Amino acid sequence: AQTVTQSQPEMSVQEAETVTLSCTYDTSESNYYLFWYKQPPSRQMILVIRQEAYKQQNATENRFSVNFQKAAKSFSLKISDSQLGDTAMYFCAFMKHLSTGNQFYFGTGTSLTVIP
Amino acid sequence: GAGVSQSPSNKVTEKGKDVELRCDPISGHTALYWYRQSLGQGLEFLIYFQGNSAPDKSGLPSDRFSAERTGGSVSTLTIQRTQQEDSAVYLCASSLASQGAFYGYTFGSGTRLTVV
Repeated sequence: AQTVTQSQPEMSVQEAETVTLSCTYDTSESNYYLFWYKQPPSRQMILVIRQEAYKQQNATENRFSVNFQKAAKSFSLKISDSQLGDTAMYFCAFMKHLSTGNQFYFGTGTSLTVIP
Repeated sequence: GAGVSQSPSNKVTEKGKDVELRCDPISGHTALYWYRQSLGQGLEFLIYFQGNSAPDKSGLPSDRFSAERTGGSVSTLTIQRTQQEDSAVYLCASSLASQGAFYGYTFGSGTRLTVV
């Protein structure tokens, strides 16, 4: 079974500062994908960033970057220059591809508040 | 459509009544997921449709829950004899099967179900 753990239920950061959200996962797979999703009050899940496990280079999307440590099974999200619009729930997700389709597993989320 | 559409946005029902939740995926998306998100919890997998294959129903919590996908497009999640513990946000997501691993899934805004 695959599990995804987000140990920080709530976090806050001052506007323009940097914050890191942690995520660890447990799997016996060698090839898989990792994602961070953002869920604002509108409830719609928005893909923030993704990482293929076979790639050593950490993914980056503008102000968002990850620190992927495959051996440690860690996948943290760093948000630089935090903005008020970053306030949301953030979910870490693990996906593996099967011949019958994809299996997605989500963590319990981290509620991030950006303080003006 | 441009995105995944879910209806109704909010639903209040009396305990014991049946409810139907609708998901209209992005046109052409062959993969469709239903998730349940309870207050303060992560996303709980319910059911997965992939093309014409038999759905993966392994996440359905009881036989009161069922889902169908007509014509490989619109999906309906039915909850019979609703209980208060069924109160949650029900999220639908879809993807082109071949791209799900690369781009994740596109989520709808969910249906908030409240059983009173």
